[in-house]
Amino acid sequence: GQQLNQSPQSMFIQEGEDVSMNCTSSSIFNTWLWYKQDPGEGPVLLIALYKAGELTSNGRLTAQFGITRKDSFLNISASIPSDVGIYFCAGRPTGAGSYQLTFGKGTKLSVIP
Amino acid sequence: EAQVTQNPRYLITVTGKKLTVTCSQNMNHEYMSWYRQDPGLGLRQIYYSMNVEVTDKGDVPEGYKVSRKEKRNFPLILESPSPNQTSLYFCASSSGTGTSEADTQYFGPGTRLTVL
Repeated sequence: GQQLNQSPQSMFIQEGEDVSMNCTSSSIFNTWLWYKQDPGEGPVLLIALYKAGELTSNGRLTAQFGITRKDSFLNISASIPSDVGIYFCAGRPTGAGSYQLTFGKGTKLSVIP
Repeated sequence: EAQVTQNPRYLITVTGKKLTVTCSQNMNHEYMSWYRQDPGLGLRQIYYSMNVEVTDKGDVPEGYKVSRKEKRNFPLILESPSPNQTSLYFCASSSGTGTSEADTQYFGPGTRLTVL
C-alpha cells in the first residue's frame, strides 16, 4: 500500500512551546487528516484538509495541505500537558475510496510541565 | 451517545484457537474498517466494508476474516491465530460520503490481543 513518512517520531517539549510535525508522501493525496490518540483510546480526528494550499485551524492547532499535494504539516501553539499523546497523519490517495486511509507511523508528543 | 464498541477489550489466547472480536456502531454508518496498531508501524488497515455484504481487503488482510451481515456489526475473525497477530486492534466507522463529516472515522476503544 501507500506509504506516509511522518516526522519526527517523538518530541519532548516544554509547556508553552510551539510544536510542528509533518507528513510526506511519494504520491499525490486528495485528502489529509490529522488524528490524536490518547493513551488507551482510539484516534480522534483533529483537522481535515481537502484542497491544496488549504490552511485550517482548530483552537491552538493549525494544519496545512501542501501545494504539491504530497505533504501536510500540523502546528500546535503554546503546548499544554493535555497535548500529550500520539499524533497521526492520514491521507487518501487520488482515486481511492473515501474509506481507504493510509496512516503515518505517528509522532509521540511529551510535554514537560 | 454515538459510539463504536469493541469486545473484548483484552484477550490472551493460544496459537490456533479461533477467536472473534466484535465491533458495533450505533451511528448508521455505511463504512466500517478494522486496523491493527503496532509499535513503530502506526495504523494499518486489515479489512473494510462499504455496506452490508460488501467487504474488501486492506493492506494487511492475511490471517483475518470479516463479515458484514448487518449494518451495525463488523466482526473480525481469526481462524487460527498466530503470535505475529499479537497487536492492538481498532474498529472504525464513518458515513463516507466525501464531506468532512463523512471523513470523521470514529474509532472504537481498541482490543489488545496477545497470542501465545
